[in-house]
Amino acid sequence: NAGVTQTPKFRILKIGQSMTLQCTQDMNHNYMYWYRQDPGMGLKLIYYSVGAGITDKGEVPNGYNVSRSTTEDFPLRLELAAPSQTSVYFCASSSVGTGGDEQYFGPGTRLTVT
Amino acid sequence: GQNIDQPTEMTATEGAIVQINCTYQTSGFNGLFWYQQHAGEAPTFLSYNVLDGLEEKGRFSSFLSRSKGYSYLLLKELQMKDSASYLCAVKGTTASKLTFGTGTRLQVTL
Repeated sequence: NAGVTQTPKFRILKIGQSMTLQCTQDMNHNYMYWYRQDPGMGLKLIYYSVGAGITDKGEVPNGYNVSRSTTEDFPLRLELAAPSQTSVYFCASSSVGTGGDEQYFGPGTRLTVT
Repeated sequence: GQNIDQPTEMTATEGAIVQINCTYQTSGFNGLFWYQQHAGEAPTFLSYNVLDGLEEKGRFSSFLSRSKGYSYLLLKELQMKDSASYLCAVKGTTASKLTFGTGTRLQVTL
């Protein structure tokens, strides 16, 4: 199993550009999450999904959109990128019913908006 | 909402024992996680507590007191590779969502 994979690893965007961060998991997990992590800060939840076709906002959803058309994929869309969106983005997945439901994280996407 | 506090930085010596504390105030509680995060890498799962008491896993142990809103992670026989950030996270009652503290950066020295 590859676990949770994310692409790209790094990206530089100009203000106002758009992009999609890809996330795929091969563990058949029903729950998936997107976080951002700013330097010296904890992870903040952007959006989450409890299954294909179901998404909901987290703590910091403004400026982002998501979709979940399959169990495996959970892309994050940035529209009109702003410098405040410079961050490291982590995708995670978990499977309800396996005790602690620990989340498995992808390697992250480092995004700079200039 | 959730409020989670943990120290920003700690330093300890190789071979020693270190305790990283985490206090939380929550509107819903369904367990507490500890994750390890090396610089530039993703967080990885260390431990999970949902009932009061101590959970031991090799060199790492985690303790929870739900009445006090308090947890700690205990690392024994510290090694240089334990230098990392340690993230405390509370699981809420919806969709297994986690709220993370800002993390404690641990530096292990010779």
